[in-house]
Amino acid sequence: EAGVTQFPSHSVIEKGQTVTLRCDPISGHDNLYWYRRVMGKEIKFLLHFVKESKQDESGMPNNRFLAERTGGTYSTLKVQPAELEDSGVYFCASSPFANSPLHFGNGTRLTVT
Amino acid sequence: GDSVTQMEGPVTLSEEAFLTINCTYTATGYPSLFWYVQYPGEGLQLLLKATKADDKGSNKGFEATYRKETTSFHLEKGSVQVSDSAVYFCALSDGSGYSTLTFGKGTMLLVSP
Repeated sequence: EAGVTQFPSHSVIEKGQTVTLRCDPISGHDNLYWYRRVMGKEIKFLLHFVKESKQDESGMPNNRFLAERTGGTYSTLKVQPAELEDSGVYFCASSPFANSPLHFGNGTRLTVT
Repeated sequence: GDSVTQMEGPVTLSEEAFLTINCTYTATGYPSLFWYVQYPGEGLQLLLKATKADDKGSNKGFEATYRKETTSFHLEKGSVQVSDSAVYFCALSDGSGYSTLTFGKGTMLLVSP
């Protein structure tokens, strides 16, 4: 089966610009998660979708971040406007059931200059 | 809140050496514990897990035992290989029924021939 796929693998943008990250979960996985690792820090939870609904968005840092999962398939994470501190690696993960192990994508490395 | 602390890296070993990466946690309730591994250029992969006290997770020669009394989940391998070079993340889920994970900062392991 195809794994979790993230696009792009790298993105370099200037402060103030907008970037949209995409995640395609494993087919049939209702649960989709976004995480972020800022350089040298822990991987932090951002939010969790169950199908198209946001189950938990307690980790979203501020209202410059908008996540969507229309139709319960792929998800996008938009950062608008981007700030320097948004730089890091954004990971997406999916799972078929609520408490089953997560399958992670390779991540998107975002650099804001 | 929940937290995971793991030893700082990098850990540098020669092939066939014994490996220990320390991990301790703070959590309310009864968390499940995990080790994830990230090989260069790849996403996070679940290495092993333990869901209750005294459980031992094992995979690919790696082992970790859930020690509730010391709130620890140290990763060990008896004889490392060059191919084990990667970043290792200790993580917990809070047992709420979902797989939202709290990660440590990661420990880079470098194994030389």
